[in-house]
Amino acid sequence: EPEVTQTPSHQVTQMGQEVILRCVPISNHLYFYWYRQILGQKVEFLVSFYNNEISEKSEIFDDQFSVERPDGSNFTLKIRSTKLEDSAMYFCASRKGQGSYNEQFFGPGTRLTVL
Amino acid sequence: AQSVTQPDIHITVSEGASLELRCNYSYGATPYLFWYVQSPGQGLQLLLKYFSGDTLVQGIKGFEAEFKRSQSSFNLRKPSVHWSDAAEYFCAVGVIQAGTALIFGKGTTLSVSS
Repeated sequence: EPEVTQTPSHQVTQMGQEVILRCVPISNHLYFYWYRQILGQKVEFLVSFYNNEISEKSEIFDDQFSVERPDGSNFTLKIRSTKLEDSAMYFCASRKGQGSYNEQFFGPGTRLTVL
Repeated sequence: AQSVTQPDIHITVSEGASLELRCNYSYGATPYLFWYVQSPGQGLQLLLKYFSGDTLVQGIKGFEAEFKRSQSSFNLRKPSVHWSDAAEYFCAVGVIQAGTALIFGKGTTLSVSS
């Protein structure tokens, strides 16, 4: 069964450093998402991406964040200068998007720890 | 603005007992509704979804949920809980537009006692 994959599973970085989180969505899916979950809190939407551009973003997704689909398979989230409060689990999701609404499939997440 | 409320932060049930996790949503039209489960250290797995039609939906692992428009609720149920069901459960709402994000509730942690 196809699944969303994410690398790395755990990333530790120093405050102020840039990090890139990587995701490989399910191959025939058209919509891609990033969410984050700060420890003990709910899952929060960051950004959605369709047709090589951002379709929605939340207030969390400020200028320190960017997303890219550098090739036909990867979808990345870059945090330009990490802050302590960026420590969270980051989930990538994808959905098919053709026709009627359909569900999002989530990857296993990348745990980001900012020291 | 859309929102999802899961009133129970933590629930403990005995193995073999029935379970109901509550979820209420706030949205002006009929939403798309989901329940996801997250085991410790794991990602989010879709349990079931409601898009339209029959208001009682069946999911994986023996779970079911009932959409009640009059109560703006989408409660998750299981007739007999197994120890492996211990996890965090999230209710989520999707808006009827292509590409729109899911809005999650804060989650309910389920503990199963023997």
